[in-house]
Amino acid sequence: DSGVTQTPKHLITATGQRVTLRCSPRSGDLSVYWYQQSLDQGLQFLIQYYNGEERAKGNILERFSAQQFPDLHSELNLSSLELGDSALYFCASSVQRFLDTDTQYFGPGTRLTVL
Amino acid sequence: AQKITQTQPGMFVQEKEAVTLDCTYDTSDPSYGLFWYKQPSSGEMIFLIYQGSYDQQNATEGRYSLNFQKARKSANLVISASQLGDSAMYFCAMRVLTQGGSEKLVFGKGTKLTVNP
Repeated sequence: DSGVTQTPKHLITATGQRVTLRCSPRSGDLSVYWYQQSLDQGLQFLIQYYNGEERAKGNILERFSAQQFPDLHSELNLSSLELGDSALYFCASSVQRFLDTDTQYFGPGTRLTVL
Repeated sequence: AQKITQTQPGMFVQEKEAVTLDCTYDTSDPSYGLFWYKQPSSGEMIFLIYQGSYDQQNATEGRYSLNFQKARKSANLVISASQLGDSAMYFCAMRVLTQGGSEKLVFGKGTKLTVNP
């Protein structure tokens, strides 16, 4: 158990819908990262938040957005869903002390299926 | 561009034998970190081992060790005394800096390891 929690574990929805994925980082970690794992694209970095502020953006679609709340939990919002958005979405957290040994610990993932 | 290459889509090993999973990386940054993660069929990503670019010694964590050859830009994972529970996907990743001074992980495509009894 990494200490990172994600809910829900599975999500099945229809095209055009909107969903929210939730992540709670490990105790003491200030940084939250979101990754998408799909069969064709592999594991791709989406976005990072540090202590409530957006710090880095990766290959995140405009239909997707995220935020980190004062209690440090984060939500990833996916809207106008398409079939191709079906994937495993991971949240990871780290302290981000900008040390070489800083490690990202991953949650169990949310498997999104868009029908 | 910063990139991780894992050339072995699948590997097979007999239980109790050692196996090496290959990883090469490409970066122009002088400072970087290399990670290995394990993804069992249940889907979670489990951190295994870390190697820093300035580390003089190869990293070890229990049965896992990292064969780090900086000049060749390779960071191969060695699993000793394989167990049936080691059957999983293994991902090599590199920590890279993003614009604004933050960081992200860049992953390889993974190697599927199967341990045979």
